[in-house]
Amino acid sequence: GNSVTQMEGPVTLSEEAFLTINCTYTATGYPSLFWYVQYPGEGLQLLLKATKADDKGSNKGFEATYRKETTSFHLEKGSVQVSDSAVYFCALMIQGAQKLVFGQGTRLTINP
Amino acid sequence: NAGVTQTPKFQVLKTGQSMTLQCAQDMNHEYMSWYRQDPGMGLRLIHYSVGAGITDQGEVPNGYNVSRSTTEDFPLRLLSAAPSQTSVYFCASSYYSNLNTEAFFGQGTRLTVV
Repeated sequence: GNSVTQMEGPVTLSEEAFLTINCTYTATGYPSLFWYVQYPGEGLQLLLKATKADDKGSNKGFEATYRKETTSFHLEKGSVQVSDSAVYFCALMIQGAQKLVFGQGTRLTINP
Repeated sequence: NAGVTQTPKFQVLKTGQSMTLQCAQDMNHEYMSWYRQDPGMGLRLIHYSVGAGITDQGEVPNGYNVSRSTTEDFPLRLLSAAPSQTSVYFCASSYYSNLNTEAFFGQGTRLTVV
């Protein structure tokens, strides 16, 4: 079946620290991979995506590379800010039905 | 740019009541889906649709019905509300074109069943 496993949280870092949130997946076929972010009281916003192996998605200083050999899509940011505090979801989408399979989410808190 | 619009934003129901959560999109996307978000469990798929007139069950469909009579609308019906259905519900629409795909989410409906 299809599944996503995310690094368990919560994660607490100091401002300007380096961030990694691990994400691995199991999928039949060739999924597209996503990171979504959810700020308190809001819906999900797309942070970045990659549609095929070796693609790198990037946005707002965040990056993730689609690694088929390790079935991973780890999220990284070189220097986090207080405004990055949110819940981050890794997800995959299987072509055909365009439905998402989510990881359990990682709550990130950045302290000044 | 409305995107995906969900109504209501908040709702309190009594056990056994029924209601419909509305979802509308103005992007002409073929694909729409409903998810529920519970603490520590991420988002789980309830039902989805690959086009007008076509729906299918997701991971947690029990207690919910859907229909897709138009491309724009994808309402979710709770037949007889139970406390286990207390959750935040998200509707999404998505497209697929030339190997590119993305899902857009509504702001969510926070439902409490007492």
